Amino acid sequence: VVMTQSPLSLPVTVGQPASISCKSSQSLVYSGANAYLSWFHQRPGQSPGRLIYKVSKRGSGVPDRFSGSGSGTDFTLNISRVEAEDVGVYYCMQGTYWPYTFGQGTKLEIE
Amino acid sequence: EVQLVESGGGSVLPGGSLRLSCAASGFNLQTHWMSWVRQIPGKGLEWVANIKQDGSEKYYLASVNGRFTITRDNANNSLSLQMNSLRVEDTAVYYCARDDGVRAFDSWGQGALVTVSS
Repeated sequence: VVMTQSPLSLPVTVGQPASISCKSSQSLVYSGANAYLSWFHQRPGQSPGRLIYKVSKRGSGVPDRFSGSGSGTDFTLNISRVEAEDVGVYYCMQGTYWPYTFGQGTKLEIE
Repeated sequence: EVQLVESGGGSVLPGGSLRLSCAASGFNLQTHWMSWVRQIPGKGLEWVANIKQDGSEKYYLASVNGRFTITRDNANNSLSLQMNSLRVEDTAVYYCARDDGVRAFDSWGQGALVTVSS
């Protein structure tokens, strides 16, 4: 399954919203309702960290300015108000099919 | 606190072998699927292999199938990746990652750099 993210580069002003799209080459729906789509954030020089799992569920300790949505083949990560610490690369990943596959990554930069 | 610490990275000639280890602490390893994920420096993420809680199921990326072997030792809280017949394109940082039970990774190690070069 090919995961396609857009944009690949995202300049944002602090306090402004941001949105990242992730499209899969086939539906990620599993067992009728679930879609195993997750989002990760990787700061420069660090390991990735989980933000969102199962499309819209925030991981432990993840600020509520992060939200995930979507279904089928189209998914979105929204940041309601970007903060300076949000810089880095964001990846979506599908876990519905083997092998798990990641999007190319979206680099968020502060303007 | 959940911790995953990789070791065993290094430089190797093409065709050579290397064994990565991941020491897990702060949780019961035997209750989680575990994976290896790699990242070519400056590039994106690529899932490599995973293993079921009891080791009875293992899955591999097609390009490493037959060359890499994932194993686990729940008694010693460790995960391993034996890499044989290494290729230049296997050069990457390799992360040990814990599956959260819903097919996402909720904990990652700091990574181990593997460099395959002549």
